Amino acid sequence: EAQVTQNPRYLITVTGKKLTVTCSQNMNHEYMSWYRQDPGLGLRQIYYSMNVEVTDKGDVPEGYKVSRKEKRNFPLILESPSPNQTSLYFCASSSGDGLAGVSSPYEQYFGPGTRLTVT
Amino acid sequence: GENVEQHPSTLSVQEGDSAVIKCTYSDSASNYFPWYKQELGKRPQLIIDIRSNVGEKKDQRIAVTLNKTAKHFSLHITETQPEDSAVYFCAASRWDSNYQLIWGAGTKLIIKP
Repeated sequence: EAQVTQNPRYLITVTGKKLTVTCSQNMNHEYMSWYRQDPGLGLRQIYYSMNVEVTDKGDVPEGYKVSRKEKRNFPLILESPSPNQTSLYFCASSSGDGLAGVSSPYEQYFGPGTRLTVT
Repeated sequence: GENVEQHPSTLSVQEGDSAVIKCTYSDSASNYFPWYKQELGKRPQLIIDIRSNVGEKKDQRIAVTLNKTAKHFSLHITETQPEDSAVYFCAASRWDSNYQLIWGAGTKLIIKP
């Protein structure tokens, strides 16, 4: 089954304790992205990656790191979490394949989300 | 950079009536406009998208219209049903940089029985 998985789904941690949220996709997608979702603010992009070893900042990258060593994995790292990083996090992937005639080639497939609470 | 505004933030309609959600964008170079639906507690999922070379696209009860001159696009849902209750997000990007979708803040659609 084609899917994007994230782990953990729920995490409660304390300020300053490093954590990693994993993201994996089995669709051989080139493009992957991390978003955070906060009430009234919609989806804000944290980081994105166009391919292995290629990453770039989104709108709200401060306090986050990512890596893309393999095509299928795109972990999100919080080196020193703070309470303002309490949020719902989504990973997404897309083929980014602009072949003519393919409907919605840029559809982003989202993972199930990770609810993070930093106290 | 691109900015996307979405209205209204909450929309309540009677079951069976139509719902319209509007978005405006600022970057005239944007040429790809998807709409995502997020049901309570679930992940966003693409429901329809449109490219700038098309003025309207329909898929059963859902349609999207685009006015490039005015830089706005709208989602139309006809004959609304309880399962249409969700948060809807619009987004905009340039076709060659789809990874940089700029999202609207979302509209919570409530279908009243």
